[in-house]
Amino acid sequence: GAVVSQHPSRVICKSGTSVKIECRSLDFQATTMFWYRQFPKQSLMLMATSNEGSKATYEQGVEKDKFLINHASLTLSTLTVTSAHPEDSSFYICSARPLDRLAGTDTQYFGPGTRLTVL
Amino acid sequence: GQNIDQPTEMTATEGAIVQINCTYQTSGFNGLFWYQQHAGEAPTFLSYNVLDGLEEKGRFSSFLSRSKGYSYLLLKELQMKDSASYLCAVGQNFVFGPGTRLSVLP
Repeated sequence: GAVVSQHPSRVICKSGTSVKIECRSLDFQATTMFWYRQFPKQSLMLMATSNEGSKATYEQGVEKDKFLINHASLTLSTLTVTSAHPEDSSFYICSARPLDRLAGTDTQYFGPGTRLTVL
Repeated sequence: GQNIDQPTEMTATEGAIVQINCTYQTSGFNGLFWYQQHAGEAPTFLSYNVLDGLEEKGRFSSFLSRSKGYSYLLLKELQMKDSASYLCAVGQNFVFGPGTRLSVLP
């Protein structure tokens, strides 16, 4: 159980285009989903936290108009990178926190990641 | 805010024991997590500590001291496949430390 999928797994796009990444919890409902970005040989950097039905909370330095997050249901969150540029090339990973979880635990389950390359 | 620190790189020999430390400062604490991440893959959950003490799970153990803001991950009987990055994370919004790249040598 507790499987999170991401689609696509890999995407190459031209500079100036927009790219949408989907994150789905397949066998559980998630109150909260998180979006991370990871550059080579660096740790995961939290970009934003999204709660179903409400606006996402962005970390300092992350442009909310560039990285659009929609959390339309308890099993789906999307990240849209608008007007992508080469510096946006990175590994984007989502995670989901189950709605029904053991008291006192806040385990997150990670998706497999999406590698974005902007030419 | 949160501040998390880990050694950047460690090297150990197959069959040995290695301890990876994590120190943290956080305004709210609801547990410390350890994740393993192989290059190009998503992190996988290893352990969770919310109370002080040692949690053992097979070859991996994790220790927590809340008063010291300190945790470590202990890996025993190292195998080549343990070569990966090890990330600790704290806080409600899962702020990750910088990660420790472990290289296991034959």
